Amino acid sequence: NAGVMQNPRHLVRRRGQEARLRCSPMKGHSHVYWYRQLPEEGLKFMVYLQKENIIDESGMPKERFSAEFPKEGPSILRIQQVVRGDSAAYFCASSTTGPETQYFGPGTRLLVL
Amino acid sequence: GENVEQHPSTLSVQEGDSAVIKCTYSDSASNYFPWYKQELGKGPQLIIDIRSNVGEKKDQRIAVTLNKTAKHFSLHITETQPEDSAVYFCAASPGGYQKVTFGIGTKLQVIP
Repeated sequence: NAGVMQNPRHLVRRRGQEARLRCSPMKGHSHVYWYRQLPEEGLKFMVYLQKENIIDESGMPKERFSAEFPKEGPSILRIQQVVRGDSAAYFCASSTTGPETQYFGPGTRLLVL
Repeated sequence: GENVEQHPSTLSVQEGDSAVIKCTYSDSASNYFPWYKQELGKGPQLIIDIRSNVGEKKDQRIAVTLNKTAKHFSLHITETQPEDSAVYFCAASPGGYQKVTFGIGTKLQVIP
């Protein structure tokens, strides 16, 4: 049973470009969560999605950030017009029912030049 | 919302000694408390969790304790080994569709 998959593992973007981060949850998991981790800091919740629905987006910045989890395909975290402060590791997690017992992916390390 | 505080931020122990990491939470509705281990360059991995109807849970060399009255919970690692070196995160959630809130993390170094 494959774990949570994220791609790309590393992403380099110049200021003003768009970044698209993908997350494929574990088989049978319909709940997905995105977190951001800055160097030497903890995991900051961004958004909680269920298939085709956003359950909680209280941690998402109001501008430039969006997330989706379509009926088919991976969950996508999209960052438009990236700035240097967006450089971080972005982790996706998934679960079967609700936020308990989340399994994390390996993360995408975003570097904005 | 929930606020989880974790300490210490760094911890060095000699191989074979015990390590204790402590967390407090603010939301009395929280009833699920997982602990994650994150190795360098990897995603966090769930190592143990405890629910509010239980005061203590053990799994080999690791144990978690929960004091609901004081809103404290702790991770205990006995007979530490070099491979225990990692960052450990505590977390809390009220359950249901409520998000999980993480502590800041503790960097544990086990010295051979």
